[in-house]
Amino acid sequence: KNEVEQSPQNLTAQEGEFITINCSYSVGISALHWLQQHPGGGIVSLFMLSSGKKKHGRLIATINIQEKHSSLHITASHPRDSAVYICAVSSEETSGSRLTFGEGTQLTVNP
Amino acid sequence: GAVVSQHPSWVICKSGTSVKIECRSLDFQATTMFWYRQFPKQSLMLMATSNEGSKATYEQGVEKDKFLINHASLTLSTLTVTSAHPEDSSFYICSARTEASTEAFFGQGTRLTVV
Repeated sequence: KNEVEQSPQNLTAQEGEFITINCSYSVGISALHWLQQHPGGGIVSLFMLSSGKKKHGRLIATINIQEKHSSLHITASHPRDSAVYICAVSSEETSGSRLTFGEGTQLTVNP
Repeated sequence: GAVVSQHPSWVICKSGTSVKIECRSLDFQATTMFWYRQFPKQSLMLMATSNEGSKATYEQGVEKDKFLINHASLTLSTLTVTSAHPEDSSFYICSARTEASTEAFFGQGTRLTVV
């Protein structure tokens, strides 16, 4: 079992839909990261959070430390949101010095 | 946010030659840099962790003599793929962090094709 698991693996939505991507982890963490990888390969850090909720534009990330679960929500989705979304955790064991990655969720938003 | 610049973004080289990839932190001092490798439709795999001024720590299964990492300054780390072979063709990406934070900033990645 992977230390970080994401669901779904693939997600197709219509423009305007509300999207949720889930991430569960099994280790103690110092922080959880949500990353976005576009087809060209470059990675953008969307959020880093260790508790509660963060919002940036149409993106919302939440984390429940007790349940070891995080969600990434996209409101009013748009075709330009199409990308791979990756959940990663900074482990307490390594003092947060390295990331463990989920396998990613491929999101396709159709116009 | 902080910027990490990786160069080149893509490179094609002949089998047996060496390729150097640079990773620069443009507006912060990167005490730690990470090098990852990503195969198509797979997640990132950590190759090595480098701290400025010291030898890199390689993950199990990564040949340190083949993937030479240098982190000579707080703003630059390099990965050299020596005697490249077609199986080394992959997407290589670096990330950098400061001593004060666990937030990671990623480069744009380098797509290496060995022919």
